[in-house]
Amino acid sequence: EDQVTQSPEALRLQEGESSSLNCSYTVSGLRGLFWYRQDPGKGPEFLFTLYSAGEEKEKERLKATLTKKESFLHITAPKPEDSATYLCAPRGGGSNYKLTFGKGTLLTVNP
Amino acid sequence: KAGVTQTPRYLIKTRGQQVTLSCSPISGHRSVSWYQQTPGQGLQFLFEYFSETQRNKGNFPGRFSGRQFSNSRSEMNVSTLELGDSALYLCASSLAPGVRNTEAFFGQGTRLTVV
Repeated sequence: EDQVTQSPEALRLQEGESSSLNCSYTVSGLRGLFWYRQDPGKGPEFLFTLYSAGEEKEKERLKATLTKKESFLHITAPKPEDSATYLCAPRGGGSNYKLTFGKGTLLTVNP
Repeated sequence: KAGVTQTPRYLIKTRGQQVTLSCSPISGHRSVSWYQQTPGQGLQFLFEYFSETQRNKGNFPGRFSGRQFSNSRSEMNVSTLELGDSALYLCASSLAPGVRNTEAFFGQGTRLTVV
């Protein structure tokens, strides 16, 4: 059965204090690892998709990396507007073609 | 271009009733997936449709059903509502299953409250 674990569950940072979020996964036939940002009461907002171990993608203060069993979301010099829940979701292949979501990491960035 | 549109945004229903939610995917996207989000369980996969066919189904009771139309719009139906069905129901739109580099974009969701 596909499993996804995100850690930490919650993270509180000061503005400018860099850190990383972790996503550990077990999925058969991986067809991409997705990262989303979700604000309260809204749908998840797409950030990145990673397809191969060693792949990295960047967007503003965020950088996502992928290994065969984990993905990391690095946040460099965060700002209060980066506060949100960050969700990772690997997608399986074939008949397992779906996103399996972790419970998310609630990030709070204090000014 | 327009994003994923879900209607209605909010619904209040009584136990035992049924409800239909609608999702219009991004233009050109032919795959639609549905997810249920609750505080305790997080986002859980309900089902996925492509070319009017259900390709995959999650572990939900038969009260949850869906369909997709020829224009790729999708609906999901929940019959005999229970209090535990209260959740944010999210729809995700993709180009097509099995296509590399195809992202999944979500709508704003429908907040269903069962009383």
